[in-house]
Amino acid sequence: EPEVTQTPSHQVTQMGQEVILRCVPISNHLYFYWYRQILGQKVEFLVSFYNNEISEKSEIFDDQFSVERPDGSNFTLKIRSTKLEDSAMYFCASLDRARTGELFFGEGSRLTVL
Amino acid sequence: GENVEQHPSTLSVQEGDSAVIKCTSDSASNYFPWYKQELGKGPQLIIDIRSNVGEKKDQRIAVTLNKTAKHFSLHITETQPEDSAVYFCAAKAAGNKLTFGGGTRVLVKP
Repeated sequence: EPEVTQTPSHQVTQMGQEVILRCVPISNHLYFYWYRQILGQKVEFLVSFYNNEISEKSEIFDDQFSVERPDGSNFTLKIRSTKLEDSAMYFCASLDRARTGELFFGEGSRLTVL
Repeated sequence: GENVEQHPSTLSVQEGDSAVIKCTSDSASNYFPWYKQELGKGPQLIIDIRSNVGEKKDQRIAVTLNKTAKHFSLHITETQPEDSAVYFCAAKAAGNKLTFGGGTRVLVKP
């Protein structure tokens, strides 16, 4: 069964450092997302991406965040200068071209900012 | 923005009993998926329903949606220990963004 893969599974970083989380969406999907889940809380939308540009972003997705699809397969989330409150589980998801089907989530990348 | 309310936040049931989780969406959503999240894993879709359908069933899991498309529920019958997880309802309005409820931690006691 096709799946969304994410790396790293866990990253520990110092406050102020840059972090890049990587995702490989399902190959024939065209819509890509990042969601965040702070420990014990709900899954929150960060950003959606289609046709090489951001289609929607939330208030959480401020200037410290950026997304990129550099090579047609990877989809990355960069946090330029991490803060303590960025500690969370970050989930990548993708949706097929029909946009009517299931949003597939990866296993997540746990970010711990010290 | 869209808001999805989910209740209860925790639910403990005896194995074999039923579990019901309720959600309310305040947006003009047309698609309502339910996700199951096991410890340390990403959300996995277990069932979904669209606004033109009132009820959908898949083995021990069923979802109901009232006609105003603002209230929707997940029903798990004959619960088993492996049903223990966090369940999230979600709603999708125009565009493709899913808004999630706060989650329900279900514990099935053997």
